[in-house]
Amino acid sequence: DTGVSQDPRHKITKRGQNVTFRCDPISEHNRLYWYRQTLGQGPEFLTYFQNEAQLEKSRLLSDRFSAERPKGSFSTLEIQRTEQGDSAMYLCASSLGIGPLEQYFGPGTRLTVT
Amino acid sequence: AQKVTQAQTEISVVEKEDVTLDCVYETRDTTYYLFWYKQPPSGELVFLIRRNSFDEQNEISGRYSWNFQKSTSSFNFTITASQVVDSAVYFCALMGGSGAGSYQLTFGKGTKLSVIP
Repeated sequence: DTGVSQDPRHKITKRGQNVTFRCDPISEHNRLYWYRQTLGQGPEFLTYFQNEAQLEKSRLLSDRFSAERPKGSFSTLEIQRTEQGDSAMYLCASSLGIGPLEQYFGPGTRLTVT
Repeated sequence: AQKVTQAQTEISVVEKEDVTLDCVYETRDTTYYLFWYKQPPSGELVFLIRRNSFDEQNEISGRYSWNFQKSTSSFNFTITASQVVDSAVYFCALMGGSGAGSYQLTFGKGTKLSVIP
């Protein structure tokens, strides 16, 4: 059983550009989560999906952030008009079932905005 | 609001020493779940354990053990006979038992453990 994968692993972009990250969850995991981790901090929850439905998005950091999971499999996280403060590690996780279950994390995408 | 505090920012131990990582949490939920994750230098968070609030039995898994004390809102993690491979950042996390909190993990800031050979 392969783990959660994320692409790209690193992204360097100039301020003002749009970026999109992809996450492939563990096969058959119905829940998918996005977190952001800045240096020296624990991950911070952003949003989550149950199958293709985005059930919580109020924690997305601003309206420049959006996420999709169109077919209930992979997900994308897009940041529009990037700012230097967006530089961070973006983590994806998945879990199987419903309720308070352990989440399995991918390796993350490290974003650097110059 | 939920909160997790890991007061120890960094700990250094010599190989084979025992080490305890502290975790204190705050929640208004009567049912909740506590987790520990390991983040090695490679960066990927590795799940270690989940504990339910209604089960205060301590748990041991090899060199790892966890002490859950509801009375002090603590969920401490002990590594016995530490090894260099244990060097990582360890995160304690909390999840609510129902409603809006039952899907998001609230993490502490982590404790960086360095095991010196």
